[in-house]
Amino acid sequence: GENVEQHPSTLSVQEGDSAVIKCTYSDSASNYFPWYKQELGKRPQLIIDIRSNVGEKKDQRIAVTLNKTAKHFSLHITETQPEDSAVYFCAASYAPNAGKSTFGDGTTLTVKP
Amino acid sequence: GAVVSQHPSRVICKSGTSVKIECRSLDFQATTMFWYRQFPKQSLMLMATSNEGSKATYEQGVEKDKFLINHASLTLSTLTVTSAHPEDSSFYICSAQQGDNEKLFFGSGTQLSVL
Repeated sequence: GENVEQHPSTLSVQEGDSAVIKCTYSDSASNYFPWYKQELGKRPQLIIDIRSNVGEKKDQRIAVTLNKTAKHFSLHITETQPEDSAVYFCAASYAPNAGKSTFGDGTTLTVKP
Repeated sequence: GAVVSQHPSRVICKSGTSVKIECRSLDFQATTMFWYRQFPKQSLMLMATSNEGSKATYEQGVEKDKFLINHASLTLSTLTVTSAHPEDSSFYICSAQQGDNEKLFFGSGTQLSVL
C-alpha cells in the first residue's frame, strides 16, 4: 500500500518568514495530493491540492510543488502569520478515492509574532 | 462550499455502554462517507468506508462488530461504538466526497472519552 512520510514534525518560524513542509510517497499510482490544515480540536480543512498532471499550484500565500519522478511534494507558505499556526497534513491517493488517502503524520507549525 | 455536520462534538460515557456518532452532509448527497480515528498529535487513520445502501468496508485491524456503521441515506452515516472501553477513547472524524469530486469535506469531529 501507499506510504507517506512528512517532515518536519514540528516547525517554528518568525512571523513574516516562509515555511516549507515536505512529503514523500511510495505508490507511483497516486495522482491526487491534498494538504489539510487542522487547528487544535477542529476539523481538517483542505487548503490546497494538486494533481499529478501539474507541477506547481499557487493560491495567494500558499503553494504546492510536485515532483512525480522523485515522488515528493511540498507545501510552501510565505509571509507567515500567527493564524497560520496549526497542524498541517499531507495526503496521497488515487483520485477520486480521496477518502482513502494515506495521510502524513502531520507538521505542527508555530508562527511566532 | 460543502458542509459536513458531525454530532455530538463531545461525549463521555461509562465503560460497557454504546455510543452513536452521526455524520451528515448538509447540502449535498454523499454516496460514500469515511470514518477516521485520530489520537492526540497523530495523523488520521481510516477506519472504514461507509457506502449508502450497502455494507461498510473496514480497514484491516478494525473490528466491524465493535464499530458498527450504517449509511441509511445519501446524507447520513452513523458510527456506533459498541461496548465502549477506555482504549476506545479517541477523536473520531467523518468525511464525505461530493460526487466524483475528489475534494474531501470533514465533519467537526467527536471526542469520545470512556470512563
